[in-house]
Amino acid sequence: GQNIDQPTEMTATEGAIVQINCTYQTSGFNGLFWYQQHAGEAPTFLSYNVLDGLEEKGRFSSFLSRSKGYSYLLLKELQMKDSASYLCAAMDSNYQLIWGAGTKLIIKP
Amino acid sequence: IAGITQAPTSQILAAGRRMTLRCTQDMRHNAMYWYRQDLGLGLRLIHYSNTAGTTGKGEVPDGYSVSRANTDDFPLTLASAVPSQTSVYFCASSDRQNNEQFFGPGTRLTVL
Repeated sequence: GQNIDQPTEMTATEGAIVQINCTYQTSGFNGLFWYQQHAGEAPTFLSYNVLDGLEEKGRFSSFLSRSKGYSYLLLKELQMKDSASYLCAAMDSNYQLIWGAGTKLIIKP
Repeated sequence: IAGITQAPTSQILAAGRRMTLRCTQDMRHNAMYWYRQDLGLGLRLIHYSNTAGTTGKGEVPDGYSVSRANTDDFPLTLASAVPSQTSVYFCASSDRQNNEQFFGPGTRLTVL
């Protein structure tokens, strides 16, 4: 079956770095997406990886290893506004997104 | 309009009633999607449309129907609501199947 695993909750300190891991199993693969979702709001796009390696975008970076079915989202210089849920989603061979349940990130001062 | 709008924002509905959730986008995106989001679960795809005039079933289509008469609108209908359909419903769109999806603000539906 198709499955996405990511931690339920993580805690980090303002100004620090945090890495959120995601493993996936899908029927075919057309890329890995990360979205941010603040409580009570809609998900917003953060990053897309389809090739192995690291994609950097400001304070956020995303890594993909297709052979391992693994991705991570790296957040640097954490700010209080980064408190949110981070959703990992893998696109299968039918171009449908399979979503993880999300990782709730709590930032402490 | 800028982006995707959904209506209503929230609704309380008696079981057995019919309900249509509305979704409109002004980005001329070809693909549109309906998801439901429940606590502890990932977003689950209900129905999708790759282009106007076509629709497809997602992971959890039972009890829901959709239509795509034009590019902009993608309504979701619950023919006879049941309590298990209590959820937050998100509409999304993308210009191509493998591009990022843009989400509407969501509709919080409670079926009693």
